[in-house]
Amino acid sequence: EMQLLESGGGLEQPGGSLRLSCAASGFTFSRYAMTWVRQAPGKGLEWVSTISGSGSNIYYADSVRGRFTISRDNSKNTLFLQISSLRAEDTAVYYCAKDVRYSAMDHFDCWGQGTLVTVSS
Amino acid sequence: EIVLTQSPGTVSLSPGERATLSCRASQTISRDSLAWYQHKRGQAPRLLIYGASTRATGIPDRFSGSGSGTDFTVSITRLEPEDFAVYYCQHYGSSPPSVTFGGGTRVEIK
Repeated sequence: EMQLLESGGGLEQPGGSLRLSCAASGFTFSRYAMTWVRQAPGKGLEWVSTISGSGSNIYYADSVRGRFTISRDNSKNTLFLQISSLRAEDTAVYYCAKDVRYSAMDHFDCWGQGTLVTVSS
Repeated sequence: EIVLTQSPGTVSLSPGERATLSCRASQTISRDSLAWYQHKRGQAPRLLIYGASTRATGIPDRFSGSGSGTDFTVSITRLEPEDFAVYYCQHYGSSPPSVTFGGGTRVEIK
């Protein structure tokens, strides 16, 4: 059974940093692109970033480009999201999701339960 | 940039009734690039439909997707108690690579 488990969320001050992790199991991690999606309180889903199976292709939403860095460690079946220069509007539940493709975005057939990031002083 | 507009924002229905949810794209998109998800509070989103009309693994046949061009629909023929949730449409594009979600439709118990 495919599973994704996020961790690393918490309360952080504006301007601070956090590193989110997503541990994958039940599938060959390196064969699929992986994506981060977030949901702010009371809002809908927002795509954040995608990384290809090899890590060589990376894409960001305009709202996070330059502040967020996506990466992956295929030897440890783990996806990461480094979030820097945190803003109040980054407060959200962050989900990792498995793409059905190797190299680019498509649809997502497995999602984690999410990890909550709260930005507040 | 493709914008997806879902309607209605909220629909109130009773178990056993039919639900029809709409997703309109700001420009013509390929059927292959449209997916639907179900999301319950506190849970992981679940893939329902991809390629506009193909049910994902394990999705019951009371869920169906249709549409083309700019207008897409997901229908639930007979609502079960577990179907009350928020539903999102999603577009995936390649030029440039991007993902867009609609604003969601909440299906609530009447």
